[in-house]
Amino acid sequence: KAGVTQTPRYLIKTRGQQVTLSCSPISGHRSVSWYQQTPGQGLQFLFEYFSETQRNKGNFPGRFSGRQFSNSRSEMNVSTLELGDSALYLCASSPSGTTNEQFFGPGTRLTVL
Amino acid sequence: LAKTTQPISMDSYEGQEVNITCSHNNIATNDYITWYQQFPSQGPRFIIQGYKTKVTNEVASLFIPADRKSSTLSLPRVSLSDTAVYYCLVGDLTTDSWGKLQFGAGTQVVVTP
Repeated sequence: KAGVTQTPRYLIKTRGQQVTLSCSPISGHRSVSWYQQTPGQGLQFLFEYFSETQRNKGNFPGRFSGRQFSNSRSEMNVSTLELGDSALYLCASSPSGTTNEQFFGPGTRLTVL
Repeated sequence: LAKTTQPISMDSYEGQEVNITCSHNNIATNDYITWYQQFPSQGPRFIIQGYKTKVTNEVASLFIPADRKSSTLSLPRVSLSDTAVYYCLVGDLTTDSWGKLQFGAGTQVVVTP
């Protein structure tokens, strides 16, 4: 079974731009969660989608948004990029969200200049 | 959400056993304890999960005392490839709150020859 895939793997943007990251979960998994990882703040939960609906949300500004499609693929969008948005963005999937583990993708490394 | 405290770093030699203790004094009745492992520039990987007493799998053992206010991840006979950051998470998996699990700072384990 293929693992969680994320595209692109690396991205460089400038301040003020917007960016869209994509995540394809493991086949059959309906829950997709997004995390931001930075050296200073560690791994922080952004939001979780289940069956195309946002089910949980972390403490991030409205510039961070996401969506999930009927095939469970998910996208994350960050508008008006700031330098502090530079981070590794990780996507994780699980069958229902209430199972005992999440399967993480390799992440997208976003650099904002 | 139960807050967790774990050592920032631990050093070990190849072949030794590594024990990482995580404190979670405010753990709730429905909370489970889960450990993840993360290598640089990769997403975290599930290691083990438990509720009470002892859990063992092919990778590690998890010891949870009766009061559940702490837990210890035991890595037997570590090798260089076990050098990674280890996260202790505590959260309720019986509700739709999976996405709200919070990663702490983790413990950086460094294994040397």
